[in-house]
Amino acid sequence: QKEVEQNSGPLSVPEGAIASLNCTYSDRGSQSFFWYRQYSGKSPELIMFIYSNGDKEDGRFTAQLNKASQYVSLLIRDSQPSDSATYLCAVSGGSTLGRLYFGRGTQLTVWP
Amino acid sequence: KAGVTQTPRYLIKTRGQQVTLSCSPISGHRSVSWYQQTPGQGLQFLFEYFSETQRNKGNFPGRFSGRQFSNSRSEMNVSTLELGDSALYLCASSARGGGHEQFFGPGTRLTVL
Repeated sequence: QKEVEQNSGPLSVPEGAIASLNCTYSDRGSQSFFWYRQYSGKSPELIMFIYSNGDKEDGRFTAQLNKASQYVSLLIRDSQPSDSATYLCAVSGGSTLGRLYFGRGTQLTVWP
Repeated sequence: KAGVTQTPRYLIKTRGQQVTLSCSPISGHRSVSWYQQTPGQGLQFLFEYFSETQRNKGNFPGRFSGRQFSNSRSEMNVSTLELGDSALYLCASSARGGGHEQFFGPGTRLTVL
């Protein structure tokens, strides 16, 4: 059974700060890594995906992957109150390609 | 391009009944996956369909079943509903399936009384 663990949170940061969200996974065969944002009462929205070791930047978001350490993170720069949501880490690959394993999520609050 | 659509958005059923949920993926996407989300268990994978074939199945009882049509639309059926089936059911669409990006629909909120 694959496991995906996220820092439990909740995480609270002031507006303009950097929010750092972390995720570890148990299956070394995992190949694809995703970050979803879920607002209360809404469905998850894909905000980042990364397949290779290193950093991937998209606007204010940076995903970092370290397969040797089985670790993936999401940095949100210049955090805004509208970033307040639950962030879900998801992992896919290995023998169960096609299904996503989700962490329980980290709730982020950005206060003005 | 239109997103993933799910119908109905809300559903109330009683124990023992059955229910069918529908999902229309993004145009051109051939993979549809279904997930159950509850406060206690989080997001859990039910099954994935690609070109009308079930490719993956999660650890749910046989009461949960699905199918996919030639136009990639998918349905999920739950028979003999139990109180614990109350959840948000999410469908996710992917162009290539496998480990590639999946895009979620708005979900169907099922309440079992």
